[in-house]
Amino acid sequence: GESVGLHLPTLSVQEGDNSIINCAYSNSASDYFIWYKQESGKGPQFIIDIRSNMDKRQGQRVTVLLNKTVKHLSLQIAATQPGDSAVYFCALQGAQKLVFGQGTRLTINP
Amino acid sequence: EADIYQTPRYLVIGTGKKITLECSQTMGHDKMYWYQQDPGMELHLIHYSYGVNSTEKGDLSSESTVSRIRTEHFPLTLESARPSHTSQYLCASSRWGGLDGELFFGEGSRLTVL
Repeated sequence: GESVGLHLPTLSVQEGDNSIINCAYSNSASDYFIWYKQESGKGPQFIIDIRSNMDKRQGQRVTVLLNKTVKHLSLQIAATQPGDSAVYFCALQGAQKLVFGQGTRLTINP
Repeated sequence: EADIYQTPRYLVIGTGKKITLECSQTMGHDKMYWYQQDPGMELHLIHYSYGVNSTEKGDLSSESTVSRIRTEHFPLTLESARPSHTSQYLCASSRWGGLDGELFFGEGSRLTVL
């Protein structure tokens, strides 16, 4: 089956720096990946997705990179702001459902 | 802001009580889901529905049950709560034809069973 893991449970960055959150997956047949942001006391919120026919996709201040060779996914946040403080989850599309990883808590230092 | 609502937000009850967690969405989404999440941990799918009168169990075994009598409403019921049911329960919805991975989540119901 599919599984998703994150490299670090916590990440602390200075305000204004770029953040990189990493994720690994096990099933080479996985073809659709999603990043979610969960702020304290709230439900997860969709950030960006990417299909396996792409290796990079950009949104507003966020970029997702997909390396299918090593089964690795990353989320880059440019010029990190206090409002980016949250837990970030990667997820992949499994059979009829999303499979979520454990999450990385991003903390912003002033 | 997503138009999906969960009540209660917080619930503390004793063992053996019956509880129902409510979830309603006003987006007309056909697909609805219940996830269980321990603090800081990944989300586990416990139930889902693809439309009225359709319900399926997810990956994580759960003693809860769900019903889908109306499109907008997807309540989750525990007949006899136990301390092992202490967790956060997240309801979500999505639409056919939308982004496959774009689920809209409610703010969650945090359940504590004493």
